[in-house]
Amino acid sequence: EPEVTQTPSHQVTQMGQEVILRCVPISNHLYFYWYRQILGQKVEFLVSFYNNEISEKSEIFDDQFSVERPDGSNFTLKIRSTKLEDSAMYFCASWTGDDEKLFFGSGTQLSVL
Amino acid sequence: KNQVEQSPQSLIILEGKNCTLQCNYTVSPFSNLRWYKQDTGRGPVSLTIMTFSENTKSNGRYTATLDADTKQSSLHITASQLSDSASYICVVSGRQAGTALIFGKGTTLSVSS
Repeated sequence: EPEVTQTPSHQVTQMGQEVILRCVPISNHLYFYWYRQILGQKVEFLVSFYNNEISEKSEIFDDQFSVERPDGSNFTLKIRSTKLEDSAMYFCASWTGDDEKLFFGSGTQLSVL
Repeated sequence: KNQVEQSPQSLIILEGKNCTLQCNYTVSPFSNLRWYKQDTGRGPVSLTIMTFSENTKSNGRYTATLDADTKQSSLHITASQLSDSASYICVVSGRQAGTALIFGKGTTLSVSS
């Protein structure tokens, strides 16, 4: 089965530092997403991306966050100045747009110290 | 307010036994309901997806039911295996995939030998 790939699997950073989380969506997918899951809590939507632009974002996705699709394969989430409360598992997901199946990556565990 | 509530919060069963997990939702308008399995430290993996007109859907030993009138769903696991130990998440969409996914907190299932 096709996979969404995320790197790194773990990222430790100091508060105030910038981090970039990377995702390689499934090749023929058109819609891309970032979700996060704080330890012990539910998965939360951050942002969706289609046709090289943000199509929807949640209240969590403030000015500290940005997304890019710098080439034909990568999809990145940047946090400009990390805060302690940004510590979470961040999941990338992608979708063809034709069926209902949304594929999730294995996640990047971000720890902000 | 759009919400997805799951019960029980956690469940312990013996290998080989059956179990049923519950999901109630208040999401409106409703597009589809998904059940995901999430292993610890991994991304959610889709088990079933049901639209408004579907009452039941099976995937191997997993059978999901949906009552769109009462806004309830269940996931039945037959002949449980140790590998079924995971969090099972009910996810409801108000639109087609992605942005409007509302996640439940999940039921943590532990299967013991």
